[in-house]
Amino acid sequence: SQQGEEDPQALSIQEGENATMNCSYKTSINNLQWYRQNSGRGLVHLILIRSNEREKHSGRLRVTLDTSKKSSSLLITASRAADTASYFCARGGSNYKLTFGKGTLLTVNP
Amino acid sequence: EPEVTQTPSHQVTQMGQEVILRCVPISNHLYFYWYRQILGQKVEFLVSFYNNEISEKSEIFDDQFSVERPDGSNFTLKIRSTKLEDSAMYFCASTGAGGINEQFFGPGTRLTVL
Repeated sequence: SQQGEEDPQALSIQEGENATMNCSYKTSINNLQWYRQNSGRGLVHLILIRSNEREKHSGRLRVTLDTSKKSSSLLITASRAADTASYFCARGGSNYKLTFGKGTLLTVNP
Repeated sequence: EPEVTQTPSHQVTQMGQEVILRCVPISNHLYFYWYRQILGQKVEFLVSFYNNEISEKSEIFDDQFSVERPDGSNFTLKIRSTKLEDSAMYFCASTGAGGINEQFFGPGTRLTVL
């Protein structure tokens, strides 16, 4: 499979805790993009990290990329109930299309 | 903030009917895409479009599907003869110059084929 694959499939935490989601892939990437999807809704772009980058931050989000291990992680710090959603990584190859993983369902309990 | 828009938000059709899903990409973007997500499954790539032609298409994008950019703003996906298995959420996305930048997605059209 060439897709990004996230783990865990589901994660339940308490508000205020940090949430870490991981993504693995098998083929080379140009970039890796993380998205959030609330139930039945659209995909909201969170962060893009390029293959020559190791870490990026955006507010409470931190994304790391290890191309030697073909893996990435998304860390959400100080989680809020509003962060409850599915999170997807998507591999961007040289042909520009995105290949999505199955996602992690994050539940943040108030 | 510019965003991708899609209409309609929900389309219900009978099997065998033609549907056209519409998208307005972000105005200065050059690369356009359609993806679909069957309920409970992962988002799947359908087709990419650049410079008024298809750049790449997936195995899903068979002869029943077509895309068009009829004017300077709209990007459409047509399904000629819908099947039950075409029921899914269809997302349009667009990217700026270079194609390797962030892909911004629209809110989706939920297609239900009865």
